[in-house]
Amino acid sequence: SAVISQKPSRDICQRGTSLTIQCQVDSQVTMMFWYRQQPGQSLTLIATANQGSEATYESGFVIDKFPISRPNLTFSTLTVSNMSPEDSSIYLCSVEGAPGVITDTQYFGPGTRLTVL
Amino acid sequence: DAKTTQPPSMDCAEGRAANLPCNHSTISGNEYVYWYRQIHSQGPQYIIHGLKNNETNEMASLIITEDRKSSTLILPHATLRDTAVYYCIVRASPFYGGATNKLIFGTGTLLAVQP
Repeated sequence: SAVISQKPSRDICQRGTSLTIQCQVDSQVTMMFWYRQQPGQSLTLIATANQGSEATYESGFVIDKFPISRPNLTFSTLTVSNMSPEDSSIYLCSVEGAPGVITDTQYFGPGTRLTVL
Repeated sequence: DAKTTQPPSMDCAEGRAANLPCNHSTISGNEYVYWYRQIHSQGPQYIIHGLKNNETNEMASLIITEDRKSSTLILPHATLRDTAVYYCIVRASPFYGGATNKLIFGTGTLLAVQP
């Protein structure tokens, strides 16, 4: 399985500011995803990060609030913009697949714990 | 994607087998059953998945009923480190032309392994 790292691992931010979370994989992957886990809740998919094109967002999530970049097959960023305390969550990236290879298992990074004051 | 139903919590004694049930009565023919677990505030960890045959790996065994409407994840010798939330998810596999790679997480089962 791929080794996935996220930066930062945690942060405390002031409301109204923005934070960019990085996800780095040690091998090329086909699919990259971003999830949110609010306190005491299960995981919710935010969007699929597409290389070279705009991310595909799930219902309830918009690009202005959660802009995503994916410049290559090993790296993606998620920005949480104009933060409010309701954005306090764990943000997780996940990956699946490799170029030219169909795989069917998704692996998760360690997560970024965000607290907004 | 089909939905799953799991008990909210279970206890298990350390060293004993933990059997975690999952109902997925509306599962489609091309949908796999996946199990993940999440140890407190960490990223979910993949455990195992299967289509219709029973599967076993170094972590666990997956038993799927013949009608595929339910399954059981078995941790053969539970330890304290197995205390976690276990998620059962059904998803179409890309091997069978599944158009989505989404994993839809329910609320899972909190397994508490007791010393």
